[in-house]
Amino acid sequence: DGGITQSPKYLFRKEGQNVTLSCEQNLNHDAMYWYRQDPGQGLRLIYYSQIVNDFQKGDIAEGYSVSREKKESFPLTVTSAQKNPTAFYLCASTRAEDTGELFFGEGSRLTVL
Amino acid sequence: QQQVKQSPQSLIVQKGGISIINCAYENTAFDYFPWYQQFPGKGPALLIAIRPDVSEKKEGRFTISFNKSAKQFSLHIMDSQPGDSATYFCAARPGTYKYIFGTGTRLKVLA
Repeated sequence: DGGITQSPKYLFRKEGQNVTLSCEQNLNHDAMYWYRQDPGQGLRLIYYSQIVNDFQKGDIAEGYSVSREKKESFPLTVTSAQKNPTAFYLCASTRAEDTGELFFGEGSRLTVL
Repeated sequence: QQQVKQSPQSLIVQKGGISIINCAYENTAFDYFPWYQQFPGKGPALLIAIRPDVSEKKEGRFTISFNKSAKQFSLHIMDSQPGDSATYFCAARPGTYKYIFGTGTRLKVLA
């Protein structure tokens, strides 16, 4: 079945450590996104990528980095520079054509100890 | 203004009742207005969506009402069921790849 796979589902990290969240899609979608979800704040865009080897900052990119070396993969690194990294992270994708629908993965919950 | 304001923050409805969630926007360049449903610990899933050239769209018990002049759109859930208990997000797309999300409404339907 086609879909978006995020891993790990749960991750614990000590302060000062970088962590990388994986996002893989087999939907043949061109655009991929990372969102952060905090209670009462909705979904906030961290980074997005329209094509391979290209990506743009979203509204809260500070302390995060991404790469898009393959169409299927869009990993997110939460660096030690992110001051409040504990959150639920969602990866999403959509086709380049104007269908509009965002498909989401099941999310990764990061907790900084 | 790239914001979508969603209300209420939480909503409790009796089984069989109507759930109504409202969203308002300011940017007239938005061209696509989806609603997403999210269960605890899961990613959001598209529920229903509308484009600004229509005033209403219905899919089963779910209806979007769209008021272009007032820059508002709402989700109506008819005959609400306990299985509808979830968080609902409205969103808007300004004609690009970026989507702007509301802050979410936590719906609880009492059995």
